[in-house]
Amino acid sequence: QSALTQPPSVSGSPGQSVTISCTGTTSDVVTYNRVSWYQQPPGTAPKLLIYEVSNRASGVPDRFSGSKSGNTASLTVSGLQAEDEADYYCILKTTAGTWVFGGGTKLTVL
Amino acid sequence: QVQLVESGGGVVQPGRSLRLSCVPSGFPFIATYGFHWVRQAPGKGLEWLAFSWNDGSTVDYADSVRGRFTLSRDNPKTTLYLQMNSLRVDDTAVYYCVRDGPHWDLDFWGQGTLVTVTS
Repeated sequence: QSALTQPPSVSGSPGQSVTISCTGTTSDVVTYNRVSWYQQPPGTAPKLLIYEVSNRASGVPDRFSGSKSGNTASLTVSGLQAEDEADYYCILKTTAGTWVFGGGTKLTVL
Repeated sequence: QVQLVESGGGVVQPGRSLRLSCVPSGFPFIATYGFHWVRQAPGKGLEWLAFSWNDGSTVDYADSVRGRFTLSRDNPKTTLYLQMNSLRVDDTAVYYCVRDGPHWDLDFWGQGTLVTVTS
């Protein structure tokens, strides 16, 4: 069964950049661009940030970027701002038609 | 703008049932979209539960709820329902209705409805 592993937490100071990794256990991450990223500020619903590994959703600032290397997808937040403090999730749509969620990463802006 | 409005959450005893509703609006051709239910237990991560294709004929479930939860859509498929039976304490969570996006993503989320299962 597929799984996505994220670090529990990352942190950075305002203006800095941070990268959140999402490592998959199957070839789906390697072979296909079906990873998306979501932001969930405290007390709110998740919001789509990035789709198909590296495409920003409508209205998402270009400070947010996605990439992939091998079986690891990554979300980079540049020019950190206080409002970026949130939980971030990666999600994979597998070729078997199932949905696999990463465990989430808490981003703290110091 | 796109909205997904969930309702039906509340406090229920273990073993009882509850039905959640989700009304999508603000975008055309609602009946052509697939929708998911995703939940989040207090302080925990997201968990995918169920998915219905646009025609409502194909539904898939997570192992944790298969056989207990049933996803359905009305005619003309503008309201989604999640019938939850044999509820357990560990079903306590915020339940989100989510639109299936065009890019292998979940592009719009409702605000969620809280279900608390407690004796």
